Amino acid sequence: EAGVAQSPRYKIIEKRQSVAFWCNPISGHATLYWYQQILGQGPKLLIQFQNNGVVDDSQLPKDRFSAERLKGVDSTLKIQPAKLEDSAVYLCASSLGLGAEAFFGQGTRLTVV
Amino acid sequence: QKEVEQNSGPLSVPEGAIASLNCTYSDRGSQSFFWYRQYSGKSPELIMSIYSNGDKEDGRFTAQLNKASQYVSLLIRDSQPSDSATYLCAVHTGGFKTIFGAGTRLFVKA
Repeated sequence: EAGVAQSPRYKIIEKRQSVAFWCNPISGHATLYWYQQILGQGPKLLIQFQNNGVVDDSQLPKDRFSAERLKGVDSTLKIQPAKLEDSAVYLCASSLGLGAEAFFGQGTRLTVV
Repeated sequence: QKEVEQNSGPLSVPEGAIASLNCTYSDRGSQSFFWYRQYSGKSPELIMSIYSNGDKEDGRFTAQLNKASQYVSLLIRDSQPSDSATYLCAVHTGGFKTIFGAGTRLFVKA
């Protein structure tokens, strides 16, 4: 069974530029998560989808971050404009449903300079 | 109060000893609890899940859950240097979101 796929693996951008990350969850997984992990900290939930609906986005900085999950499968996370403090690893995870075990992709390491 | 709290460590144990990792959570409506291991530069990897009070064992790992005390722990028996990593506690809250603690760094000395 294929795991969670994320791209790109690495991205370096200048502040005020925009960037997008892509995630393809494990087949059949209804719940999809985007986490931000800053070095030395635990993953911080940005947004959680159940199929194509949003379960929680209370920690998503909506003035600059947006996310969508079209057709309840793939998802994209966008940052526009980026700030220096957005430098982090962005992790996508998926699970069969709410409260089920979640599995992570390899992450995208973003550096904003 | 943080929703999921862990001692950041580092926790240092000798090879062969038992490592005990602890986690507390604030939402009494939480139903699912998970332990992940994260090596430096890698993504979190699921170790254990636990859903009901008591102990759950899987090989050298034992997860313990006490919902009345809002406490979940992970015991690692016969610790090996390869167990050196950051251990993350995750909780599926009553608000249906899955959130993580800051993690505990574990060092196993050979």
